[in-house]
Amino acid sequence: GAVVSQHPSWVICKSGTSVKIECRSLDFQATTMFWYRQFPKQSLMLMATSNEGSKATYEQGVEKDKFLINHASLTLSTLTVTSAHPEDSSFYICSAPWEYSSYNEQFFGPGTRLTVL
Amino acid sequence: AQSVAQPEDQVNVAEGNPLTVKCTYSVSGNPYLFWYVQYPNRGLQFLLKYITGDNLVKGSYGFEAEFNKSQTSFHLKKPSALVSDSALYFCAVRDKAAGNKLTFGGGTRVLVKP
Repeated sequence: GAVVSQHPSWVICKSGTSVKIECRSLDFQATTMFWYRQFPKQSLMLMATSNEGSKATYEQGVEKDKFLINHASLTLSTLTVTSAHPEDSSFYICSAPWEYSSYNEQFFGPGTRLTVL
Repeated sequence: AQSVAQPEDQVNVAEGNPLTVKCTYSVSGNPYLFWYVQYPNRGLQFLLKYITGDNLVKGSYGFEAEFNKSQTSFHLKKPSALVSDSALYFCAVRDKAAGNKLTFGGGTRVLVKP
C-alpha cells in the first residue's frame, strides 16, 4: 500500500511560537490531503482539507489564521500552528487519498504530537 | 450529513474469547465503511473496508465485519481475541456521493485480558 509520512513525530515548543508539521505522500501523488486533530482518548476531528495549488478548505470552527495550511506540491502539505498556546497541544494526523484506488482509499501518517509549554 | 456512532467507550474481553466492537452509521447515500486500529502515539492502521459486494468482509489480523444495511451497522468481530489486540478502534464512513471526507466514530478502547 501507499505510505504517508509526517515530520516531526513529536515537538515541544514554548507558548507564542509557531510550529510547522509536514505531511508527505512517499510513493504517490496527492492533490488532496486531510488534517485531523485528536485529543487524548478522543476521536479524530477533521480540521481542514488541503488542496494542491489552491486554498485549503477548513471545517467549521477551525481558525484559518491559527492553523495555516500550504499544499506546496503533489507530495507535500504543511500545517503551521501559529502563536501556539497550551490548548493547541494535541496529536495531529494527516491522510492522503491514494490516486490508484477506485474509491480513493485514504492512507494515514503516523501522527505528530505537539506539546506547547 | 454523515455520522458514525460507536456506542461503547470500552470493551473488555478475556483472551481467547470472541471480540465484538459495535458501529452504526448514517449517510444520505451509499456508504463506504472502514475500520481502523490505533496503538498509543501512533497513526491509524487500516483493518478492513466495505465498498460493495459481500456483506461479510474479512480483513487484517483475523478481523472481520458484517455490513447490515437494514440496521445501518458495521460491527467488527474477531473469533478469538489476543492480548495484542488491545488498542483503540475506530469505525469510519464516507458517503460515496460526498467526496473523500471520512467521518469517524468516537472510538472504542479494547482491553483483552490474559
